[in-house]
Amino acid sequence: GAGVSQSPRYKVAKRGQDVALRCDPISGHVSLFWYQQALGQGPEFLTYFQNEAQLDKSGLPSDRFFAERPEGSVSTLKIQRTQQEDSAVYLCASSFTSWGISSYNEQFFGPGTRLTVL
Amino acid sequence: GQQVMQIPQYQHVQEGEDFTTYCNSSTTLSNIQWYKQRPGGHPVFLIQLVKSGEVKKQKRLTFQFGEAKKNSSLHITATQTTDVGTYFCAHAWDTGNQFYFGTGTSLTVIP
Repeated sequence: GAGVSQSPRYKVAKRGQDVALRCDPISGHVSLFWYQQALGQGPEFLTYFQNEAQLDKSGLPSDRFFAERPEGSVSTLKIQRTQQEDSAVYLCASSFTSWGISSYNEQFFGPGTRLTVL
Repeated sequence: GQQVMQIPQYQHVQEGEDFTTYCNSSTTLSNIQWYKQRPGGHPVFLIQLVKSGEVKKQKRLTFQFGEAKKNSSLHITATQTTDVGTYFCAHAWDTGNQFYFGTGTSLTVIP
């Protein structure tokens, strides 16, 4: 596809349910980020992948959050035992090059998945 | 998180007026990026600045990185209704892979 896609676009979960959010980055993009955006706030960093390697997961709010990118393309963010405070838009972004000093580049964002936990 | 602060938080302007948002950090930044997010949309990259004192222009938009690399600004000349949205600055520290977004400035343009 031409851009980053995410599915589902909307997800309603009952508290305690597990959810899986999918991100299809732009083909060939090395870097992949996940962000959490609460209403009226800026995106907050969750985790970063360089190809299949998860180089940074410092932003994951708890051990209920887990992300993977096993083949260096599609990524999945899984949230176990969802809580109401997990309600937010989850954004995925990809970037052509690896991330690091002197190589910060444009991030292309997907449309996001709006998660509502009841 | 290690946020950069943006001011103002909200701005309402008459169409045709100018608009400026400021991004401030207490520590030196290695780079700054600006994104625009339309209501209900996702962030869209506008520009990246890396050099001290750098100024870049895109049509009616002017971006500036401070001499001390602790602040940045986005100025829009003669706003249009298509400029409506939230403008975020964002940066990454040299030592990590995290990417931090500012608090954002929400722009409303009154026709």
